[in-house]
Amino acid sequence: NAGVTQTPKFRVLKTGQSMTLLCAQDMNHEYMYWYRQDPGMGLRLIHYSVGEGTTAKGEVPDGYNVSRLKKQNFLLGLESAAPSQTSVYFCASSALRQGAEQYFGPGTRLTVT
Amino acid sequence: QQQVKQSPQSLIVQKGGISIINCAYENTAFDYFPWYQQFPGKGPALLIAIRPDVSEKKEGRFTISFNKSAKQFSLHIMDSQPGDSATYFCAAFTGNQFYFGTGTSLTVIP
Repeated sequence: NAGVTQTPKFRVLKTGQSMTLLCAQDMNHEYMYWYRQDPGMGLRLIHYSVGEGTTAKGEVPDGYNVSRLKKQNFLLGLESAAPSQTSVYFCASSALRQGAEQYFGPGTRLTVT
Repeated sequence: QQQVKQSPQSLIVQKGGISIINCAYENTAFDYFPWYQQFPGKGPALLIAIRPDVSEKKEGRFTISFNKSAKQFSLHIMDSQPGDSATYFCAAFTGNQFYFGTGTSLTVIP
């Protein structure tokens, strides 16, 4: 039981490049989330999903897209990376009930130069 | 606009002392208040959580105090240990979303 996994762990992009971050969970959770963590800002929600085939915007969705084609996977895409997207990205999942515990992945450190 | 305000930003406590971290909110729709602990290079992990119908919850050395009328809640770490040195985040949940505080870096000095 791996919990929540994220790939890659580290990535360096040049401005304008694109990439996809993959999150996978093996706990059969309905809810999945993508956050970014920046110094002094805490965790900010980018996008989330309440089930397979559904996605919704969080606090800071601009410049990102997501897809949830399979229940266990949640993909975060950057179409044209900008230096402002340099951050640590965390994926999380939780069960389908109000305020259920979130389980976080280990994070992806992304640097955009 | 930060929906959950957390203080202090950093905290240094002697071993055996009490660490106190405070959070405040305005949105009365929040109905679940977790605290997360994060070690360097790791993802946050749930430490303890409370719902607004309870004023206090204790798990081992960790206690949440919740004041619904003041819209404030706090984390108390009793008998703080060097292994408690980490960043702590409060959060609040409503409408399928968690809103996080900005974090408190706790250092426990031996």
